[in-house]
Amino acid sequence: GAVVSQHPSWVICKSGTSVKIECRSLDFQATTMFWYRQFPKQSLMLMATSNEGSKATYEQGVEKDKFLINHASLTLSTLTVTSAHPEDSSFYICSARGDSARISYNEQFFGPGTRLTVL
Amino acid sequence: AQTVTQSQPEMSVQEAETVTLSCTYDTSESNYYLFWYKQPPSRQMILVIRQEAYKQQNATENRFSVNFQKAAKSFSLKISDSQLGDTAMYFCAFMKQGRGYALNFGKGTSLLVTP
Repeated sequence: GAVVSQHPSWVICKSGTSVKIECRSLDFQATTMFWYRQFPKQSLMLMATSNEGSKATYEQGVEKDKFLINHASLTLSTLTVTSAHPEDSSFYICSARGDSARISYNEQFFGPGTRLTVL
Repeated sequence: AQTVTQSQPEMSVQEAETVTLSCTYDTSESNYYLFWYKQPPSRQMILVIRQEAYKQQNATENRFSVNFQKAAKSFSLKISDSQLGDTAMYFCAFMKQGRGYALNFGKGTSLLVTP
């Protein structure tokens, strides 16, 4: 199957610093990548959708200046949490959608997630 | 906007028994996709089963099957012969073509399989 990796898996940072999370599709080209946020014992909430080479589309209520998303290639998307604060502590999950003969266009493949703790 | 409702926050089932998780959704679309995802303690999202709305036949994957009632906008998941490894959070999700095929998740059902 298609594999998506995320790095780092767990990061602790001080309040006010910025943190970058990488999402990579390892064996397929990702037409679209998605970033979700999950609080403990809650569901996944879509933050933004990104297509390679274009600006991300953010969901209502998500601060685009705080959560910077870059999708520079068909296999890499990054989420940068700028000036992080304790309320940004959460589990961030990316997923990728490909479009090829091998992968159904409506299937998303999820990364293992990144736990962010802001002190 | 599409909403997905899972009315059972927690469920429990004994090993080898059958359990059904419910999911309803609200949409005005005619073309869409429905999914059940499993999230074990590792938090890795795992696709359990998928249903295309234009298909009348209910999807089946080994011990997992769905009861898709399009008119009622209902999409329940049946797990047969439950195993301890089925213990996880289960999320029902809706996808339509707009928004780049993003997923809209329900709040989830925590399933505990007991010996």
